[in-house]
Amino acid sequence: AAGVIQSPRHLIKEKRETATLKCYPIPRHDTVYWYQQGPGQDPQFLISFYEKMQSDKGSIPDRFSAQQFSDYHSELNMSSLELGDSALYFCASSLRSWDRTYEQYFGPGTRLTVT
Amino acid sequence: AQSVTQLDSHVSVSEGTPVLLRCNYSSSYSPSLFWYVQHPNKGLQLLLKYTSAATLVKGINGFEAEFKKSETSFHLTKPSAHMSDAAEYFCVVSDDSKLRSPGGGADGLTFGKGTHLIIQP
Repeated sequence: AAGVIQSPRHLIKEKRETATLKCYPIPRHDTVYWYQQGPGQDPQFLISFYEKMQSDKGSIPDRFSAQQFSDYHSELNMSSLELGDSALYFCASSLRSWDRTYEQYFGPGTRLTVT
Repeated sequence: AQSVTQLDSHVSVSEGTPVLLRCNYSSSYSPSLFWYVQHPNKGLQLLLKYTSAATLVKGINGFEAEFKKSETSFHLTKPSAHMSDAAEYFCVVSDDSKLRSPGGGADGLTFGKGTHLIIQP
């Protein structure tokens, strides 16, 4: 079965640079979520999109922005990178319903290293 | 608001012995609960989920979990550990209250801090 695809898998950037992470959800999934997992930490929810509109916001820094495109893929844009942004960034996708919770399926993650 | 507490940061068992990973939750509504597993340098894989159907939930790789509302627990068990089970395990809760709010948006999952499962040969 098709899974969530993330690219790139690894990314090295310098401080103050920008980075763009891409996520391709499972076909027919309409909701995309972004999470940040620091070293030895649990994943923290950043932001989500449903039908190409921002749906919910978590602990996403103002330096980060994201969007979901017409083909449902999503991009996380990160500017003015800081050393503390070094982390594993996960994208997840799910179906969405108003009366039940569908499980989220996670991609393999993008490991961002800021030097 | 919801929260998850994983009672053990590390659990070590011998191969072939039972596994018990403990999780307690707090949620305003009847929650949806999940267990995810993360192998080293890998993504998060869904093991099982509870969504108000049967309280005993069976997942992949021989794992199961029992939802106990009176104890607000959702412990993960496996009868016999295998070396390949060594990984980080996350207990996760979803806030279903947003499903009941007019125009309520999708919400991120709330993760516990994780339990590192070590399998001794």
